[in-house]
Amino acid sequence: DADVTQTPRNRITKTGKRIMLECSQTKGHDRMYWYRQDPGLGLRLIYYSFDVKDINKGEISDGYSVSRQAQAKFSLSLESAIPNQTALYFCATSDLGTGANTGELFFGEGSRLTVL
Amino acid sequence: RKEVEQDPGPFNVPEGATVAFNCTYSNSASQSFFWYRQDCRKEPKLLMSVYSSGNEDGRFTAQLNRASQYISLLIRDSKLSDSATYLCVVPQGGYSTLTFGKGTMLLVSP
Repeated sequence: DADVTQTPRNRITKTGKRIMLECSQTKGHDRMYWYRQDPGLGLRLIYYSFDVKDINKGEISDGYSVSRQAQAKFSLSLESAIPNQTALYFCATSDLGTGANTGELFFGEGSRLTVL
Repeated sequence: RKEVEQDPGPFNVPEGATVAFNCTYSNSASQSFFWYRQDCRKEPKLLMSVYSSGNEDGRFTAQLNRASQYISLLIRDSKLSDSATYLCVVPQGGYSTLTFGKGTMLLVSP
């Protein structure tokens, strides 16, 4: 099983619908991140969390919200999806603050979201 | 200068060639940086870290030039399997977050 699991892997929805992307990890890391990737724009940070009580906005948080339900779970919500939120979304964890402490990000396989 | 800039490519090279990518960054007090590799429609994966003293791992060599604020990646003896997009990654805010460049695409042909 993957260390960082994202669900759903693919989703097609309509404008105005509420969508939740879920992320769970078995790596025991405190730090979790949500990125989106668009062609030509690279990976951009949406939200990040250093523990269940610490949530921070990234560079493109407008239109998104997150919930850190537990150390292992970090969900991203689109309250009212719009077409320009069509993208590939990645969840990631970081080993910073652990014994390894390399700063490496471990990504899930991605969730491809299409908003019509 | 944008935070992290990379030539998007693509770099088209034959097998066995040596190819180098550069990445410039605007502001970071970090001691180390990263190169990630991303295959088409897959998640990024760490290729190697870049320290002030440089780093070498087999056919891959990474260098940091702090004075000029750029990071380089050299790939020797290119393989078909090296075809991918290479992402330069710069820590921000004392490793609070990582900023990704847009990536450089490498295509290695037979």
